Amino acid sequence: NAGVTQTPKFRILKIGQSMTLQCTQDMNHNYMYWYRQDPGMGLKLIYYSVGAGITDKGEVPNGYNVSRSTTEDFPLRLELAAPSQTSVYFCASSRDGSTDTQYFGPGTRLTVL
Amino acid sequence: LAKTTQPISMDSYEGQEVNITCSHNNIATNDYITWYQQFPSQGPRFIIQGYKTKVTNEVASLFIPADRKSSTLSLPRVSLSDTAVYYCLVGAFSGGYQKVTFGTGTKLQVIP
Repeated sequence: NAGVTQTPKFRILKIGQSMTLQCTQDMNHNYMYWYRQDPGMGLKLIYYSVGAGITDKGEVPNGYNVSRSTTEDFPLRLELAAPSQTSVYFCASSRDGSTDTQYFGPGTRLTVL
Repeated sequence: LAKTTQPISMDSYEGQEVNITCSHNNIATNDYITWYQQFPSQGPRFIIQGYKTKVTNEVASLFIPADRKSSTLSLPRVSLSDTAVYYCLVGAFSGGYQKVTFGTGTKLQVIP
């Protein structure tokens, strides 16, 4: 199993551009998450999904959108990129949302100039 | 959500036992305590989880007193490769989602 994979690994955007961060898991997990981590800080939850077709906001959803059309994929869309969105983005999945272990991807480092 | 408080950083020499304490005074009855480890430029990785008393696995031990208002992650005989940030999370199933919050964590520096 590859676990949780994310693409791209790095990306530089200009202000106002848009992009989609891809996340795929092959563990047949129901729950998937998107976090952002600013330098020297902990992780903040952007959006999460409890299953295909079901998503909900986390702590910091503004400026982002998600969709979950399949169990495996959970893309994160950035519209009108702003410098404040410069961060490392981590996707994670877990079997369920109770107390189950979250498995993280390698992250995408995004810079908005 | 139960808020957690951890030391910002700790230093330890190789071969020593390291104990990182997390305070969670308003932990709820259903809350579990989970610890994650994060190396630079990587996503966090699960270390250990517990509800009460003591839990031990091949990597660490977790000590939880009877009142559950704190917990201590114990790493035996640390090596340089244990240099990382350690996060204490408290959360439980609520409304269909495990509501947990990653704080700023404890940055452990292992010294040769």
